[in-house]
Amino acid sequence: GEDVEQSLFLSVREGDSSVINCTYTDSSSTYLYWYKQEPGAGLQLLTYIFSNMDMKQDQRLTVLLNKKDKHLSLRIADTQTGDSAIYFCAEAPWRALTFGSGTRLQVQP
Amino acid sequence: EAGVAQSPRYKIIEKRQSVAFWCNPISGHATLYWYQQILGQGPKLLIQFQNNGVVDDSQLPKDRFSAERLKGVDSTLKIQPAKLEDSAVYLCASGGLGINQETQYFGPGTRLLVL
Repeated sequence: GEDVEQSLFLSVREGDSSVINCTYTDSSSTYLYWYKQEPGAGLQLLTYIFSNMDMKQDQRLTVLLNKKDKHLSLRIADTQTGDSAIYFCAEAPWRALTFGSGTRLQVQP
Repeated sequence: EAGVAQSPRYKIIEKRQSVAFWCNPISGHATLYWYQQILGQGPKLLIQFQNNGVVDDSQLPKDRFSAERLKGVDSTLKIQPAKLEDSAVYLCASGGLGINQETQYFGPGTRLLVL
C-alpha cells in the first residue's frame, strides 16, 4: 500500500481557507515537505517542517504536524485562483522523498 | 541562482527505441535524484547519486534503465529499449546545501511518450 496518503481532490472558493491533509507511515522521517505542481511544470517546494516541530507558519501557509497520528496538514489562507494546482506531501526517511499521489486543489472565483 | 535544468522537455519515441535525458543540478549540490512520475501519481525515486557515486538504485529497472553522473555534476538517464509503460515525466532533483541538506529542488521534467 501507499506509504503517504492524501485525498485526491479539494474545491474551495476564492478567499476561503484550504486545508490539505496527509498521513504518512515512517516515523523516522526527519523532515516532511509540501510541494506544488502546476500543469506541465516540475515540483515547486512550498515549505517543510522539521519532525520535532508541531507547527510552522510561512506567510499564507501553515503546516501542522501530529507525530502521534502521523498526520500532516497544509492550510492556505485567503486562497487565490493562482493556488490551483496539485499539492504533494512527502516524507524523507532515507533522504530520497516518498510522495503521496497528490491533492488537486481547484479554486473557484 | 539558476535552478535545475533538464533537456529535452518533451520526447516522443516508438517502443523498443532508445532515449536519453540530461540534467544539470544547482551549482554545488552534491546529491542528485531521478524520479519517474506516471500520470496521476506522485513521483517515485529511480536513482540517487551522492557526487558521482550511486547511493540508491534499488527501484531502477536495470534491464533497461541506466544512469550516470561521471564528474559529479551533470547526469544522464537512459532507457534502452523503451516500453509503453515508460511513458511518464522524468524529474531530476538536486539537494545538499544549507541548513536542511535534505531539501530537494526539482527541474521542469522531461515528458516522455512511448508509442
